[in-house]
Amino acid sequence: AQSVTQLDSQVPVFEEAPVELRCNYSSSVSVYLFWYVQYPNQGLQLLLKYLSGSTLVKGINGFEAEFNKSQTSFHLRKPSVHISDTAEYFCAVTPISGGYNKLIFGAGTRLAVHP
Amino acid sequence: NAGVTQTPKFQVLKTGQSMTLQCAQDMNHNSMYWYRQDPGMGLRLIYYSASEGTTDKGEVPNGYNVSRLNKREFSLRLESAAPSQTSVYFCASSEGVRARDGYTFGSGTRLTVV
Repeated sequence: AQSVTQLDSQVPVFEEAPVELRCNYSSSVSVYLFWYVQYPNQGLQLLLKYLSGSTLVKGINGFEAEFNKSQTSFHLRKPSVHISDTAEYFCAVTPISGGYNKLIFGAGTRLAVHP
Repeated sequence: NAGVTQTPKFQVLKTGQSMTLQCAQDMNHNSMYWYRQDPGMGLRLIYYSASEGTTDKGEVPNGYNVSRLNKREFSLRLESAAPSQTSVYFCASSEGVRARDGYTFGSGTRLTVV
């Protein structure tokens, strides 16, 4: 079985500051990893994903994430945030092998960007 | 290019009433999912359909039923609504058995049971 832990439920940050949203996972098998963003009153949109290859993954809106297999982490970063980045961010994993392709989500991190 | 369409967007039910949440996707995806989202708990899988003609329970199936009507449509039914089912419900779809491309989500149904 897999589980995902997002270490911060809320992250306040000032505009133009850097931000890191932390995600750790637990799995006995190899996994694909994802970050989703949910803007207020909307559904979830895919930000980026790690399938294989380079451990640094770039996504939309200037976000990037780094996969660290030894620490079972997939932290999301942005060097300079904007007010429009205010949203909830979800980390998710799914096993590479096995019979079902269910995504397992973390509880979410609410990013609040202040002017 | 609609993607995943959910109806209705908002609903208020009285305890004991029944209703069906509708979901349709136009991407020719094989797999479809129903999640509920509650504050501090992230998204929890209610039911999923790996392919047309199959459905399986997820993490929190009690109080719900589903129907995969055809490849496009996957409905969620509450037979006797309870206040604990107040939540935001999301439908999602994915192309194949492996979620390499992740899921495409609908915009959600906000359900309140009073």
